[in-house]
Amino acid sequence: DTGVSQDPRHKITKRGQNVTFRCDPISEHNRLYWYRQTLGQGPEFLTYFQNEAQLEKSRLLSDRFSAERPKGSFSTLEIQRTEQGDSAMYLCASSFLSGRAQEQFFGPGTRLTVL
Amino acid sequence: GENVEQHPSTLSVQEGDSAVIKCTYSDSASNYFPWYKQELGKGPQLIIDIRSNVGEKKDQRIAVTLNKTAKHFSLHITETQPEDSAVYFCAALHTGNQFYFGTGTSLTVIP
Repeated sequence: DTGVSQDPRHKITKRGQNVTFRCDPISEHNRLYWYRQTLGQGPEFLTYFQNEAQLEKSRLLSDRFSAERPKGSFSTLEIQRTEQGDSAMYLCASSFLSGRAQEQFFGPGTRLTVL
Repeated sequence: GENVEQHPSTLSVQEGDSAVIKCTYSDSASNYFPWYKQELGKGPQLIIDIRSNVGEKKDQRIAVTLNKTAKHFSLHITETQPEDSAVYFCAALHTGNQFYFGTGTSLTVIP
């Protein structure tokens, strides 16, 4: 078990460009979450998947954001036409849905800077 | 939805002293309350959690208490060490699907 991994760890882009981040969850985990974290704040929920199905999206997730988990394993988060306000840490977490409440494990995050 | 408030935002303690961080939540439907430790440049790490059918849980120097009636839960760290210095987040799981996080407490343990 290598934990949740995210790639890239850092991304610097110019305003208006598109960016894509990848998350590889813990292998047996069927739930995958995306969060955004800005300086001095806790993680804010963006969306989550159960297997390959995207079950819930936050109102924070504008039309410029899209997430996929095509085979129920890794996931990608794409931001189109980036804006300076998109600068943040993007965190991925995974968990295993069972009869008990979920323990959620986070990846190291991708830090996005939009110039 | 759910609203989680966390206090204090910063906390400094002498090494060996105890630290207490408190959180309140608004929705009685929330039933799982994890605590995370986040070090600079890293993702949050789960350190302890408590479910709504339990009042207290302890793991070595770390304990969490839950008061369902008052809708608040607390993290207690005893015998603090410099390596405990980090940002701590509480969270509440709402209706089994979505986690809501507090705004974090920056803990500094002074050697």
